Amino acid sequence: DGGITQSPKYLFRKEGQNVTLSCEQNLNHDAMYWYRQDPGQGLRLIYYSQIVNDFQKGDIAEGYSVSREKKESFPLTVTSAQKNPTAFYLCASSTWGDSTIYTFGSGTRLTVV
Amino acid sequence: DQQVKQNSPSLSVQEGRISILNCDYTNSMFDYFLWYKKYPAEGPTFLISISSIKDKNEDGRFTVFLNKSAKHLSLHIVPSQPGDSAVYFCAASAETSYDKVIFGPGTSLSVIP
Repeated sequence: DGGITQSPKYLFRKEGQNVTLSCEQNLNHDAMYWYRQDPGQGLRLIYYSQIVNDFQKGDIAEGYSVSREKKESFPLTVTSAQKNPTAFYLCASSTWGDSTIYTFGSGTRLTVV
Repeated sequence: DQQVKQNSPSLSVQEGRISILNCDYTNSMFDYFLWYKKYPAEGPTFLISISSIKDKNEDGRFTVFLNKSAKHLSLHIVPSQPGDSAVYFCAASAETSYDKVIFGPGTSLSVIP
């Protein structure tokens, strides 16, 4: 079955450490996205990528980095520069012809300890 | 400043009755609107959408109404079922940036048996 796989489901990080969240899709979708969900704030866009080797900053990119070396993969690194990284992170993808209908992964909950 | 607002954080409805979830937006450039449904610890899934050229779109028990002059849309679920209990996100996009969808904060619907 096609879909998006995010791993790990839960992640604990010590302050000052970088961590990388994995996102893989086998839907042959061109575009991929990273969102962050905080209580009462909906989903906020961190980064998005429309094609391989290209990505754009979203509304809250500070303290995050991404890469898009393969069409299937869009990993997100939460760096130590991110002041408040504890959140639920969602990866999504969409096709070029229907780019507003996203397929989401099941998310990664990151907690800073 | 939230461009997509869902002013009711939560809503409780009896099984079999109508659920009405509301959404307001501020950006007049938005011309495509979507509703996503999210269960706990899962990613959102696409539910229904509507283009600004329409004022109503129906899919089974789900109907979305759009009032462009009021910058308001609503999702009606009739009849409501316990399995509809989830968080519902309203989302919007503008023709100029179909690859960037703006999400509201969500409304948590509880359907009581």
